[in-house]
Amino acid sequence: NAGVMQNPRHLVRRRGQEARLRCSPMKGHSHVYWYRQLPEEGLKFMVYLQKENIIDESGMPKERFSAEFPKEGPSILRIQQVVRGDSAAYFCASSRNPGVADTQYFGPGTRLTVL
Amino acid sequence: EDQVTQSPEALRLQEGESSSLNCSYTVSGLRGLFWYRQDPGKGPEFLFTLYSAGEEKEKERLKATLTKKESFLHITAPKPEDSATYLCAVRVRTSGTYKYIFGTGTRLKVLA
Repeated sequence: NAGVMQNPRHLVRRRGQEARLRCSPMKGHSHVYWYRQLPEEGLKFMVYLQKENIIDESGMPKERFSAEFPKEGPSILRIQQVVRGDSAAYFCASSRNPGVADTQYFGPGTRLTVL
Repeated sequence: EDQVTQSPEALRLQEGESSSLNCSYTVSGLRGLFWYRQDPGKGPEFLFTLYSAGEEKEKERLKATLTKKESFLHITAPKPEDSATYLCAVRVRTSGTYKYIFGTGTRLKVLA
């Protein structure tokens, strides 16, 4: 039973380039959450998506960042025109149904380095 | 404002030296408190979920408890392999959906 999968695990981009991070949720899970983690800091919520819907994007910067979770395929977090401050670990979590007793399970993360 | 605070920030224990990690929270509409373990360079690994005051969960050397204001993660006779960052999170109901708020973690180092 595969867990949450993220790719790539490591991503290096130069300033101004685009970064695309992918997340495949656990089997049977239709809810995806993206978090950002800086060294020595906790996980900061970015966005919560269901299939084809953004439920809560209150933690995501209004500019340069976007997320989607299409009907088919993985969820994608896109960062356009990256800057050095975007360097961080980005984690995806999935859950089955937040409406009831539910648990988030995390992927291994994508470590983005902006040169 | 909903807030989660973990203490201490860092903890060094000798192997076999039991201790407790604290997670205090001020939230409205708690819908679960979660403990995760995170090893360097990896994603958080789920440990426990607690839903109501008085609830306790155990797994090997770990035991989590919950009151109306805080949760404790008790580590009994820890081993070096228990070294990790332990994260606490609360799930709250807000604006028709659920949100998870994480603390900054406790970095635990167990010395052999």
